[in-house]
Amino acid sequence: DTGVSQDPRHKITKRGQNVTFRCDPISEHNRLYWYRQTLGQGPEFLTYFQNEAQLEKSRLLSDRFSAERPKGSFSTLEIQRTEQGDSAMYLCASSLLAGGYNEQFFGPGTRLTVL
Amino acid sequence: AQTVTQSQPEMSVQEAETVTLSCTYDTSESDYYLFWYKQPPSRQMILVIRQEAYKQQNATENRFSVNFQKAAKSFSLKISDSQLGDAAMYFCAYRGYDGNQFYFGTGTSLTVIP
Repeated sequence: DTGVSQDPRHKITKRGQNVTFRCDPISEHNRLYWYRQTLGQGPEFLTYFQNEAQLEKSRLLSDRFSAERPKGSFSTLEIQRTEQGDSAMYLCASSLLAGGYNEQFFGPGTRLTVL
Repeated sequence: AQTVTQSQPEMSVQEAETVTLSCTYDTSESDYYLFWYKQPPSRQMILVIRQEAYKQQNATENRFSVNFQKAAKSFSLKISDSQLGDAAMYFCAYRGYDGNQFYFGTGTSLTVIP
């Protein structure tokens, strides 16, 4: 399957712990996005990469959050000192920068529960 | 920042009937892209249909079509001959012409009644 994959699908952690999520985009896609989706809301943009460069970060991305995309392939999103308010679905999407629609393809998400 | 509003948190439709989901948006840009995504329960979001603002013709994809009213900043989705598999959350999304991020609405939960 050549779709966007995310790992893990579910993560339960205790408040104050660090967590890391991984996203593998569609192989030829040079753009990768992270979104957060809370219950009853649509996805909210967190950050995006073009190849290995992180080009834009949302104000939602506090200093406890860090994202990387080494070598322009997979990406990781780390949350340090988790808080209960971090409980959400974290979605990854990828796209091919080729003008036009720049359609984003989404992964299944990682559901984070902070106890 | 651009905002996308979906005023119908929940909708239901009888199988084989037609349903319309509404979406409005706010932008000062003249060219942009609009999308409808479908998110089935516990499954990933998939693109249903897309529209570029400078194209006046409404997009159509099989049973899915849109009514794009640029002046009114409205982008509704019509699902014809509804099927049980259409049951899902539907999100309307906006992307500026030179923008990178998508702006999503809060979604409409569609139930299809057999």
